[in-house]
Amino acid sequence: EAGVAQSPRYKIIEKRQSVAFWCNPISGHATLYWYQQILGQGPKLLIQFQNNGVVDDSQLPKDRFSAERLKGVDSTLKIQPAKLEDSAVYLCASSVPRQKRGAFFGQGTRLTVV
Amino acid sequence: GENVEQHPSTLSVQEGDSAVIKCTYSDSASNYFPWYKQELGKRPQLIIDIRSNVGEKKDQRIAVTLNKTAKHFSLHITETQPEDSAVYFCAAGSSNTGKLIFGQGTTLQVKP
Repeated sequence: EAGVAQSPRYKIIEKRQSVAFWCNPISGHATLYWYQQILGQGPKLLIQFQNNGVVDDSQLPKDRFSAERLKGVDSTLKIQPAKLEDSAVYLCASSVPRQKRGAFFGQGTRLTVV
Repeated sequence: GENVEQHPSTLSVQEGDSAVIKCTYSDSASNYFPWYKQELGKRPQLIIDIRSNVGEKKDQRIAVTLNKTAKHFSLHITETQPEDSAVYFCAAGSSNTGKLIFGQGTTLQVKP
């Protein structure tokens, strides 16, 4: 079974620039999550999709972050404009509804804002 | 808001000893409690989980216990090995919505 795919693996940008991350979940997984993991901390949920609808985006800084999952499969997360404090690993995960085995994570995108 | 507290933040044990990591959660509606292991530079990987209708679950050298009344749950690793060295995260959430809140992580070092 193929895992959760993310790209790019690494990205370095200057503050105030924009950046986008892409995620392809495990086939058949209706639920998709974007987490932000700052160095030394646990993953923090940014947004959760069920198919192409948003279930929870209460922790998403909506003035600069946006995410979409138009066809209920792939998803993109965008930051515009980036701030220094956005430097983190952005993890995508997917699961089946009423999960029997939890969420499966991708390798993540390490973002450095300079 | 919803919160998960995890302790200790770092744990160092000798190979062969046991390790215990503890978490408490605030949302009494939580009914699903997974544990993840994250090696340096790699993705978090699910190692074991427990649901609220079970008090204990074991898988070889790892076990989890859940006390719903006290809202805390623990990970127990017996006969630790150097390859157990990693960061361990607990999480609490809903098996209905799939939402998970993670703890801050515990860095486990197993010394040979």
